[in-house]
Amino acid sequence: DQQVKQNSPSLSVQEGRISILNCDYTNSMFDYFLWYKKYPAEGPTFLISISSIKDKNEDGRFTVFLNKSAKHLSLHIVPSQPGDSAVYFCAAHPSGGSYIPTFGRGTSLIVHP
Amino acid sequence: DTAVSQTPKYLVTQMGNDKSIKCEQNLGHDTMYWYKQDSKKFLKIMFSYNNKELIINETVPNRFSPKSPDKAHLNLHINSLELGDSAVYFCASSQTGREYEQYFGPGTRLTVT
Repeated sequence: DQQVKQNSPSLSVQEGRISILNCDYTNSMFDYFLWYKKYPAEGPTFLISISSIKDKNEDGRFTVFLNKSAKHLSLHIVPSQPGDSAVYFCAAHPSGGSYIPTFGRGTSLIVHP
Repeated sequence: DTAVSQTPKYLVTQMGNDKSIKCEQNLGHDTMYWYKQDSKKFLKIMFSYNNKELIINETVPNRFSPKSPDKAHLNLHINSLELGDSAVYFCASSQTGREYEQYFGPGTRLTVT
């Protein structure tokens, strides 16, 4: 039972364009969400997070949007750069201060020069 | 300097053997974790230690035994290895008060033959 779903295993984007990575969740107890970026042969790196009390969080070229009613979040990368090519994982934490995250399967982003 | 390091990076062994994976972090974090990334690419938490005390144990077979000699180290010992233990194991750490933002090591790819 996948509580965090990243339905697109891969995404290909031209350099300079917007990349939109999507994540859906089913557990209404999730209240904190993160995106991690992973290069081959490396561990995931924290990218950006959002609490359920917000609907948007921005950090430079990266913006995360949260739609709680739809149980959906997305990561926007604008403009996309070839160095953004990596696997992006969505993760969710339940309320109550639990530090046990549930991860999605990841979406592989390829940004073409 | 590597913030979270793991050794070995690759481990190939036969069923029934006992093996250990070591993890060290030099970030001064209080909490450390072990994750398993299975063949379906899901990252799942296995254990968490805070100041050398076990705080999370996610229904992992007792063939897996974490050991934390100090808060900078968290090792994972696996007894009687099985084929299904083949996976990438990631160590991670976090700062008290910022447990959602975890710093991952590069991973150890374990192959059991």
